[in-house]
Amino acid sequence: GIQVEQSPPDLILQEGANSTLRCNFSDSVNNLQWFHQNPWGQLINLFYIPSGTKQNGRLSATTVATERYSLLYISSSQTTDSGVYFCAVATGGGNKLTFGTGTQLKVEL
Amino acid sequence: DGGITQSPKYLFRKEGQNVTLSCEQNLNHDAMYWYRQDPGQGLRLIYYSQIVNDFQKGDIAEGYSVSREKKESFPLTVTSAQKNPTAFYLCASSMDREETQYFGPGTRLLVL
Repeated sequence: GIQVEQSPPDLILQEGANSTLRCNFSDSVNNLQWFHQNPWGQLINLFYIPSGTKQNGRLSATTVATERYSLLYISSSQTTDSGVYFCAVATGGGNKLTFGTGTQLKVEL
Repeated sequence: DGGITQSPKYLFRKEGQNVTLSCEQNLNHDAMYWYRQDPGQGLRLIYYSQIVNDFQKGDIAEGYSVSREKKESFPLTVTSAQKNPTAFYLCASSMDREETQYFGPGTRLLVL
């Protein structure tokens, strides 16, 4: 099956700093999503982005499908950005998402 | 409010017991999914359903069963055949097979 690797596995930032999270995948995808899991376990959808670039406030994402990677940018980080960020992909026109192991982000004052 | 609800928030299972986790959505989504998350890990797909009265096995279906009798409901039963059921269970739904998946708040299952 498809492999999904996320980096870095852990990240500590000072409030106000910027960061880039990376997701590499091993095959062509028709579905790629970024999620944020808060400390209570709730998974929040950030972007549906199988290709191209999208922005939502302080967050933006870019997927280069031909090179099989996606990047999530967080600017001016806040303590509420803390949690785990997951990349998930699906292939072959289906909806069976395969998740990476996530990036654990902690934003400190 | 539109959304996905899961109940209970916490569930305790005794050895040899079957338990059922509830998932309800009022988003009018066709597709629904069940995932399992173990500590420090990503989510793994247990079962999914693209339409009423139809469902497919995911990557880790052994020891689990589901039904999809109504569009808005997709309950998951953790059977006694599941030898390591302690985990966080998340339900999701999407409008269509390639659309964004939205998640419920999850159920934490613990074995006594």
